[in-house]
Amino acid sequence: DAMVIQNPRYQVTQFGKPVTLSCSQTLNHNVMYWYQQKSSQAPKLLFHYYDKDFNNEADTPDNFQSRRPNTSFCFLDIRSPGLGDAAMYLCATSRGGAGLADQETQYFGPGTRLLVL
Amino acid sequence: GENVEQHPSTLSVQEGDSAVIKCTYSDSASNYFPWYKQELGKGPQLIIDIRSNVGEKKDQRIAVTLNKTAKHFSLHITETQPEDSAVYFCAASTRNFNKFYFGSGTKLNVKP
Repeated sequence: DAMVIQNPRYQVTQFGKPVTLSCSQTLNHNVMYWYQQKSSQAPKLLFHYYDKDFNNEADTPDNFQSRRPNTSFCFLDIRSPGLGDAAMYLCATSRGGAGLADQETQYFGPGTRLLVL
Repeated sequence: GENVEQHPSTLSVQEGDSAVIKCTYSDSASNYFPWYKQELGKGPQLIIDIRSNVGEKKDQRIAVTLNKTAKHFSLHITETQPEDSAVYFCAASTRNFNKFYFGSGTKLNVKP
């Protein structure tokens, strides 16, 4: 059974047109992450939520926003996509919680490939 | 911050041979080291991980070794099969933080 689910798997948007990618998890994990991955590169962390606590990476552009309405769902909003934002977007989760076994292991979803025309 | 270097960037082996991928890290506070396999068009999949309180961990054909003094860790795949062909990423993190520092990836090609 899929544990980290991302929809859609492929998304085509137009230059400047807002787009939202979604992620859900059945693991009941405290932490959810969004990564951007460009071809032949390592995933790059954009931000993460520890429960409702939002943590932005210093170099994440303001164009990228995130929402986590509840434990299971997290959304990535790209307000005005540019051609440079075309990439694979990966969602991941981890258990979190100091002292818990395997609290730091991250489980990735299948990704959403974004194409900007 | 942490810096993780991964070598080689590409590795080609014959089916049945062993493959070794090496990573070094800079922050002595890092204490968790996962390895991910990523197939084309898919998300990374955890294949093995190791914590700083052990030096080696094995799971069937896959093993990871950690040298804390030298700050390096390695992935060993024995009896490679064509389905092992993928990009492999190492990462390092500290237990108290939720951030992974990834290596740049190794593209493994197993030739039948």
